[in-house]
Amino acid sequence: EPEVTQTPSHQVTQMGQEVILRCVPISNHLYFYWYRQILGQKVEFLVSFYNNEISEKSEIFDDQFSVERPDGSNFTLKIRSTKLEDSAMYFCASSIQGIPNEKLFFGSGTQLSVL
Amino acid sequence: DQQVKQNSPSLSVQEGRISILNCDYTNSMFDYFLWYKKYPAEGPTFLISISSIKDKNEDGRFTVFLNKSAKHLSLHIVPSQPGDSAVYFCAARRNNAGNMLTFGGGTRLMVKP
Repeated sequence: EPEVTQTPSHQVTQMGQEVILRCVPISNHLYFYWYRQILGQKVEFLVSFYNNEISEKSEIFDDQFSVERPDGSNFTLKIRSTKLEDSAMYFCASSIQGIPNEKLFFGSGTQLSVL
Repeated sequence: DQQVKQNSPSLSVQEGRISILNCDYTNSMFDYFLWYKKYPAEGPTFLISISSIKDKNEDGRFTVFLNKSAKHLSLHIVPSQPGDSAVYFCAARRNNAGNMLTFGGGTRLMVKP
């Protein structure tokens, strides 16, 4: 089965530094998402992206966050100035159409540790 | 944010028996519910879903039941297998909210051989 791939699997950064998390969604999918899970907490929605625009975003997705599809295959999440509380597992996901009863395919995640 | 709640952090079941995982929600605007399974070091994997217009959906060993009046859903796995051991997340979506899912905290299922 096709997979969503995420790189790197682990990222360690210093507080205040910029990080870019990378994702390659499934090739024929058109909708892309970022979710995160802080250790011991729930998986939380960050943002959805379609047609080179943000479709929806949560309160977590503030001005420090941005997403981009720089080419035909990659989908990135940038955190401009990382904070300690940004430490979490970040999951990228994609879906074909973004319709209500459609399942999301998740990547294996990038564990971000902010020191 | 406790809109979707899984009250049991863990569940242990003997192989061959039924596993029942429960989920409660508070937001009456949710119209679609999903169950995801997660193994360590992997992302969540879709398992089964149900629309709010139904009360049951079945796929092989997995059945999801929805009780809208009680705002409760459950996932039944029968018979349970050791390979089912994973964390199970309940998720819900509001109507007109695209694929923005609200997740529960997860239940760790352990199926003993």
